[in-house]
Amino acid sequence: EAGVAQSPRYKIIEKRQSVAFWCNPISGHATLYWYQQILGQGPKLLIQFQNNGVVDDSQLPKDRFSAERLKGVDSTLKIQPAKLEDSAVYLCASSLSSSHEAFFGQGTRLTVV
Amino acid sequence: QKEVEQNSGPLSVPEGAIASLNCTYSDRGSQSFFWYRQYSGKSPELIMFIYSNGDKEDGRFTAQLNKASQYVSLLIRDSQPSDSATYLCAVNQNTGRRALTFGSGTRLQVQP
Repeated sequence: EAGVAQSPRYKIIEKRQSVAFWCNPISGHATLYWYQQILGQGPKLLIQFQNNGVVDDSQLPKDRFSAERLKGVDSTLKIQPAKLEDSAVYLCASSLSSSHEAFFGQGTRLTVV
Repeated sequence: QKEVEQNSGPLSVPEGAIASLNCTYSDRGSQSFFWYRQYSGKSPELIMFIYSNGDKEDGRFTAQLNKASQYVSLLIRDSQPSDSATYLCAVNQNTGRRALTFGSGTRLQVQP
């Protein structure tokens, strides 16, 4: 069974530029999460989707971050404009439902300079 | 108060010893508890989950849950250098469909 796929693996951008990340969850997983992990910290939830609907985006900085999951499968996370403090690893995870264990993709390491 | 608290470590144990990793959580409504292992530069991978009070064993790993004390732990028996990693505790409140909330992780070092 294929795991959670993410791209790109690495991205370096200048502050105020925009960037987008892509995620393809495990087939059949209804729940998809985007987490931000800053070095030395645990993953912090940015947004949770159930199929193509948003369940929780309370910690998403909506002035600069946006995410969508059209058709309830793939998802994209966008940052515009980026700030230095957005430098982190962006992890996508999926699960059968919110009460099941989540499986993580390899992550995208973003560096904002 | 953080929702999920872990000692950041590092916790250093000799090879072959038992490593004990601890986690406390603040939300009494939490129903599911997970331990993830994260190697440096890699993404978290699930080791174990536990839903009921008591112990759950899987190979060298034992998860322990005490909901009354809001405490969950992970024991690693016969620790190996390959176990050296950061261990993340995560909790989930089944009602309300909340996502996993993670602690900041405990770094474990197993000395050969």
